[in-house]
Amino acid sequence: GAVVSQHPSWVICKSGTSVKIECRSLDFQATTMFWYRQFPKQSLMLMATSNEGSKATYEQGVEKDKFLINHASLTLSTLTVTSAHPEDSSFYICSAARTVNNSPLHFGNGTRLTVT
Amino acid sequence: GNSVTQMEGPVTLSEEAFLTINCTYTATGYPSLFWYVQYPGEGLQLLLKATKADDKGSNKGFEATYRKETTSFHLEKGSVQVSDSAVYFCALSYQGGSEKLVFGKGTKLTVNP
Repeated sequence: GAVVSQHPSWVICKSGTSVKIECRSLDFQATTMFWYRQFPKQSLMLMATSNEGSKATYEQGVEKDKFLINHASLTLSTLTVTSAHPEDSSFYICSAARTVNNSPLHFGNGTRLTVT
Repeated sequence: GNSVTQMEGPVTLSEEAFLTINCTYTATGYPSLFWYVQYPGEGLQLLLKATKADDKGSNKGFEATYRKETTSFHLEKGSVQVSDSAVYFCALSYQGGSEKLVFGKGTKLTVNP
């Protein structure tokens, strides 16, 4: 069964509102989680690395004030898309590993965000 | 920079046909290479991996060999089944472990009975 749960699986929101996406590791503790974004017919793009108890590390070109990441516990990381715009519509996927290095990543099922 | 290029899909095959999905990469250093699979309605799952040149990863009848000389990691299966229908992603890890991944665009495979 799934070991990483992502919620919601899909969401539709209006421009200007904020949307929160949750990523939970179900049966293990994950000090590090990763957030990806996937555009149609494009590859998954790493957005940021979420570290429990500290600030997230963002990849180049990703606006940290736009995509707020909170990793408040060892089993939960949240991604908040603030003041969403239609161009933020995308598929967002999180992943987590049991331990650092040489552990396979477990992926959530993804969240389809549509901003109208 | 680091990048992964995999063959464009979609790919449609009949059951028991031979499958090849090409994947080439560009990377500095010695990346680890992965194939992930995403079945309909599910998250990505690790299918197989190889961590150094000439390593062969295998799982569920799928194989891929890490070819440093051709910077390739092509996925193959001798006889596909309907249940293999999914999207396949080639990926590399540029930090030694399996965390920071660079993905290809994915190849959708449909296997017809």
